[in-house]
Amino acid sequence: NAGVTQTPKFRVLKTGQSMTLLCAQDMNHEYMYWYRQDPGMGLRLIHYSVGEGTTAKGEVPDGYNVSRLKKQNFLLGLESAAPSQTSVYFCASSTLRSREGLLTDTQYFGPGTRLTVL
Amino acid sequence: AQSVAQPEDQVNVAEGNPLTVKCTYSVSGNPYLFWYVQYPNRGLQFLLKYITGDNLVKGSYGFEAEFNKSQTSFHLKKPSALVSDSALYFCAVRDYKLIFGTGTRLQVFP
Repeated sequence: NAGVTQTPKFRVLKTGQSMTLLCAQDMNHEYMYWYRQDPGMGLRLIHYSVGEGTTAKGEVPDGYNVSRLKKQNFLLGLESAAPSQTSVYFCASSTLRSREGLLTDTQYFGPGTRLTVL
Repeated sequence: AQSVAQPEDQVNVAEGNPLTVKCTYSVSGNPYLFWYVQYPNRGLQFLLKYITGDNLVKGSYGFEAEFNKSQTSFHLKKPSALVSDSALYFCAVRDYKLIFGTGTRLQVFP
């Protein structure tokens, strides 16, 4: 049971390049999230998904796109990278009910991807 | 709009002493409050949460948090700090999503 995994761990891009970050979870969670973490700003939600085939915008969606074609995967895309997108990106997942049947909304986080845009 | 505030960027405490990391919230309705911890180069880990019930919530690694409705606070506490508790701590409130505070760096000195 790997939990939430992210690939790649590190990436350096030039301005204007594109890339896709992959998030995978093996907990059969319905909800998945992409955050970015910047110094002094905490975590900010980029996009999220409440189920396979559905996505929604978070606080800071501009410049990013997402897709959730399979329940276990949530992809974050940067079509034309900008230096302002230099950040650490975290994926998370959660479920509505725990294995015991209790309502829960605890999010489980991946280890992060450090992206630098030059 | 829901929000949380962590007024201290850093908290320093000696090992063995009690620690408190402060969090205040602003919500409409009943708050769902969380504490997460982030160790260096790692993702966030869930510590504890308050949804309803007892105002004192116990969590992982000996941490607890006290929900105070009149002061709109949800401070994280531990009776005896360990050097291994040194990390970045985030308070969060759930709206339709989690809204995180800016984080407090806890430094425990031997």
